[in-house]
Amino acid sequence: DVKVTQSSRYLVKRTGEKVFLECVQDMDHENMFWYRQDPGLGLRLIYFSYDVKMKEKGDIPEGYSVSREKKERFSLILESASTNQTSMYLCASTVGGQDYGYTFGSGTRLTVV
Amino acid sequence: DAKTTQPPSMDCAEGRAANLPCNHSTISGNEYVYWYRQIHSQGPQYIIHGLKNNETNEMASLIITEDRKSSTLILPHATLRDTAVYYCIVRGLIQGAQKLVFGQGTRLTINP
Repeated sequence: DVKVTQSSRYLVKRTGEKVFLECVQDMDHENMFWYRQDPGLGLRLIYFSYDVKMKEKGDIPEGYSVSREKKERFSLILESASTNQTSMYLCASTVGGQDYGYTFGSGTRLTVV
Repeated sequence: DAKTTQPPSMDCAEGRAANLPCNHSTISGNEYVYWYRQIHSQGPQYIIHGLKNNETNEMASLIITEDRKSSTLILPHATLRDTAVYYCIVRGLIQGAQKLVFGQGTRLTINP
């Protein structure tokens, strides 16, 4: 089975901390995505990457950055965590082309206190 | 990206067919319709997608109207494990990566 693995299921961090959320896929997919999911707001795209070292802003990139040094790994970085970044974070990947669906990870529930 | 409209919630009896509607009246000719579902506390799961022909796989069937302005996802024999939020998405293409825009979805409850 193809897999997208997120390093932590639950995470608690303090305000102002630098936070790294890691995502690894074993499918040799070109495209990787970071979403956050909040009640009443649904899933919102933060950043995506369509190749190694390439990144593009999604709909809500403020307060976040990303890194993609290797094809299989896409990291989301909260430079200085704030309480309004408490959320469920979901990583996804897909191969190029219209005929393929996304594969999502199980999510990381981040709480910033 | 074309916007989709789904009912916020639906109920269905176990063993019956669950029919989930979706309106996407502004869909463009080269956009696909995708369906995903999200079971509580898990990441979304791909179900099925189509362009203009009806599609069927081991999970579900997708019926797209001839004018492509709406579609219906059919779970032929719903089980309790099909209780989830179902998302209908029209996929847009941006700079070589396919961007999925999620709406609020339909919360489907399968009742015993």
